[in-house]
Amino acid sequence: VQLVESGGVVVQPGGSLRLSCAASGFTFDDYMMHWVRQAPGKGLEWVSLITWDGGSTHYADSVKGRFTISRDNSKNSLYLQMNSLRTEDTALYYCGGDATGSIDYWGQGTLVTVSS
Amino acid sequence: DVVMTQSPLSLPVTLGQPASISCRSSQSLVYSDGNIYLNWFQQRPGQSPRRLIYKVSNRDSGVPDRFSGIGSGTDFTLKISRVEAEDVGVYYCMQGTHWPYTFGQGTKLEIK
Repeated sequence: VQLVESGGVVVQPGGSLRLSCAASGFTFDDYMMHWVRQAPGKGLEWVSLITWDGGSTHYADSVKGRFTISRDNSKNSLYLQMNSLRTEDTALYYCGGDATGSIDYWGQGTLVTVSS
Repeated sequence: DVVMTQSPLSLPVTLGQPASISCRSSQSLVYSDGNIYLNWFQQRPGQSPRRLIYKVSNRDSGVPDRFSGIGSGTDFTLKISRVEAEDVGVYYCMQGTHWPYTFGQGTKLEIK
């Protein structure tokens, strides 16, 4: 099982960014997928979820209206479109695979830094 | 949202001694299917989180049997029977019963 995140960079406040997560080693469309973030020196914060077929999505209040989660099951890939970025969005962003009520698999994370 | 409260937040332990971390939820974690989606994760320094325990007491493959989970309803505990040096890190509980999933604040385990 492997989850590999990419796309993290330094971006200015108000900017946009798209994160990607490439999955392998498991049946991708059997899993809901999450984004979880961790600000420097802080704990884990759940960000967003997408169901198996992409038919339903959920967001933390802190990102609702600014972030959009999506997936492409034909490419075993998960995405997070991040708009109107704020300094408080600075964090390591992890993608995770969820069979039922848990996050079974985690990636290594990709670092997003929002700074002027 | 369900609030997950861990204690203690800092846990100094002597090698070979037991350790225990508590996690309490602000509401019952029993799902309509009868399962309790309470999970424990370990995050070693510089690493991604790794799941240790799912559905309260089920150990993941490769997790040493010195780790165990117990609990019901709103009160849960992660126990380490004999702490080893490789157990240093931060431990998080997470509930997956209610949307959105929520994490505890984390408990930092260190060797005394």
